[in-house]
Amino acid sequence: NAGVTQTPKFRVLKTGQSMTLLCAQDMNHEYMYWYRQDPGMGLRLIHYSVGEGTTAKGEVPDGYNVSRLKKQNFLLGLESAAPSQTSVYFCASSYPTYRVSSYNEQFFGPGTRLTVL
Amino acid sequence: EDQVTQSPEALRLQEGESSSLNCSYTVSGLRGLFWYRQDPGKGPEFLFTLYSAGEEKEKERLKATLTKKESFLHITAPKPEDSATYLCAVQATGGYNKLIFGAGTRLAVHP
Repeated sequence: NAGVTQTPKFRVLKTGQSMTLLCAQDMNHEYMYWYRQDPGMGLRLIHYSVGEGTTAKGEVPDGYNVSRLKKQNFLLGLESAAPSQTSVYFCASSYPTYRVSSYNEQFFGPGTRLTVL
Repeated sequence: EDQVTQSPEALRLQEGESSSLNCSYTVSGLRGLFWYRQDPGKGPEFLFTLYSAGEEKEKERLKATLTKKESFLHITAPKPEDSATYLCAVQATGGYNKLIFGAGTRLAVHP
């Protein structure tokens, strides 16, 4: 099993450009998440999804959009990139909380390092 | 407001020198407290989940403990390969499995 995979691994954008980050998981998890990680700060939740066709906002959703057309994929879009969106982006997946509590840890992908000039 | 604070920010140890990392938290109702390890350039890797005060879990040289206000990650006789950033996160009751992360402790173990 590959677990959680993310593409691309690195990307450099100019201000105003758009891009989509792709996350895929092969663990049949219902929940998926997008986080950003900045120096000196904890991981912050951007958007999340509790199932195919559903998405919701997290702590820092502004400037991002997401889609979950298939259970195994979760896309993060930047419509008009800004330098403040320079960060490392992580995707994660998990079982939902109504399942046995000992199995609701989140599994993370390797990350995408994005620089916006 | 739910919050997680980790200390110290950075810790340097000699190989074999045991120590502890601290994670203090405030949360409306604790469903679980999670410890992750993160190596440079990689995603967080799950280590432990703790659910109630008094609970302890061990894995090799690591032992995690939980009280009503904080968690400790004890590292016994660390080796250089234990060098990493250790992240703590809490999950509140209710909701959608949201995790609140601390900023992490960067651990360097020198031979």
